[in-house]
Amino acid sequence: EDKVVQSPLSLVVHEGDTVTLNCSYEVTNFRSLLWYKQEKKAPTFLFMLTSSGIEKKSGRLSSILDKKELFSILNITATQTGDSAVYLCAVVETSYDKVIFGPGTSLSVIP
Amino acid sequence: NAGVTQTPKFQVLKTGQSMTLQCAQDMNHNSMYWYRQDPGMGLRLIYYSASEGTTDKGEVPNGYNVSRLNKREFSLRLESAAPSQTSVYFCASTPPGRYTQYFGPGTRLTVL
Repeated sequence: EDKVVQSPLSLVVHEGDTVTLNCSYEVTNFRSLLWYKQEKKAPTFLFMLTSSGIEKKSGRLSSILDKKELFSILNITATQTGDSAVYLCAVVETSYDKVIFGPGTSLSVIP
Repeated sequence: NAGVTQTPKFQVLKTGQSMTLQCAQDMNHNSMYWYRQDPGMGLRLIYYSASEGTTDKGEVPNGYNVSRLNKREFSLRLESAAPSQTSVYFCASTPPGRYTQYFGPGTRLTVL
């Protein structure tokens, strides 16, 4: 059965800390991995990763994929209170564009 | 562009009632999806539609039906609502050949 696992499920850090969020997956036919940020409403897209070892970066956020070990990490440096959100990892399966989401990591950044 | 729109935003039903959640996108996307989100469960796929006129079951299809009447619209129907269907429902779409999903604002459904 295809599944996506995220860890930790929740995390509390202080402003300025660096955090690493983990996503591992078991999917029959992998196509790509997506990271989303969800605040109070709908998820917003952060990154799509398709190839191993190529880091995607956007400001203080970065992500990398390891297709051999079947995981991805999302790093956030110099965290701010505005980074408080649920971070969702999702894997796209090739055969019919099925997207499988993990449970999310709830990040709280306190001043 | 309005993006992905969903109606209604909130709904309260009694057990056994039926209703249809509406979703529309104006981005000419081929694929559309319905998810439900429950605390601690992440997003779970209910049904999806790879193109107009086709639909397929996702992870949790029981108790739901869908219709993809045209390229823009993808509706989700609850024929006989149950308290276990209390959830937030998201519709999403993806552009042709790409996999980033665009989400609607969500519908918060409570079944009493």
